[in-house]
Amino acid sequence: KQEVTQIPAALSVPEGENLVLNCSFTDSAIYNLQWFRQDPGKGLTSLLLIQSSQREQTSGRLNASLDKSSGRSTLYIAASQPGDSATYLCAVRPRAGNNRKLIWGLGTSLAVNP
Amino acid sequence: NAGVMQNPRHLVRRRGQEARLRCSPMKGHSHVYWYRQLPEEGLKFMVYLQKENIIDESGMPKERFSAEFPKEGPSILRIQQVVRGDSAAYFCASSNSHQETQYFGPGTRLLVL
Repeated sequence: KQEVTQIPAALSVPEGENLVLNCSFTDSAIYNLQWFRQDPGKGLTSLLLIQSSQREQTSGRLNASLDKSSGRSTLYIAASQPGDSATYLCAVRPRAGNNRKLIWGLGTSLAVNP
Repeated sequence: NAGVMQNPRHLVRRRGQEARLRCSPMKGHSHVYWYRQLPEEGLKFMVYLQKENIIDESGMPKERFSAEFPKEGPSILRIQQVVRGDSAAYFCASSNSHQETQYFGPGTRLLVL
């Protein structure tokens, strides 16, 4: 059974720091992995999607890597800003037949302090 | 192109009432997914539908919950005889194909009194 774990559960950093959020999954048979952002009381915004054949994806100050064999992904945020404060969620789509559902971690709650 | 729309955004029900949550997918999307986020828990898959068909309902509670995605109109998640444990945020997502990113709506926050 696929399980997704995110470490740390919470993180507080001063503005300007580079930071790394971690995501691990127990079954390497995945179709893709996505990182999402969730603001309090709001919906989910997809940040980056990495297909199983890819090693990393970049969007602006965000870079996500994928090591499928070790079951790990990292989200790197460069030069953090207060506006980056949110919960960051990692989700994997298992590769199993017609499976299209996402399996989610509990998230990392990030606070970037001015 | 409007994103995924969900309504209502907030819904308050008393125990025993029915809750109907609506989701309009992005234009051109024919795949809809429902997820539930319980307080202090992660999101859990509930059901995956294509037009007029339920493809995977492995995450749906066995009783009181049902979902549909008719040929015309939004997808509906229906909860009968709600209980306090149904209080959660319910998110809908849509995609164009199995290769595509799932785009999420803003969610419906259900509170059962």
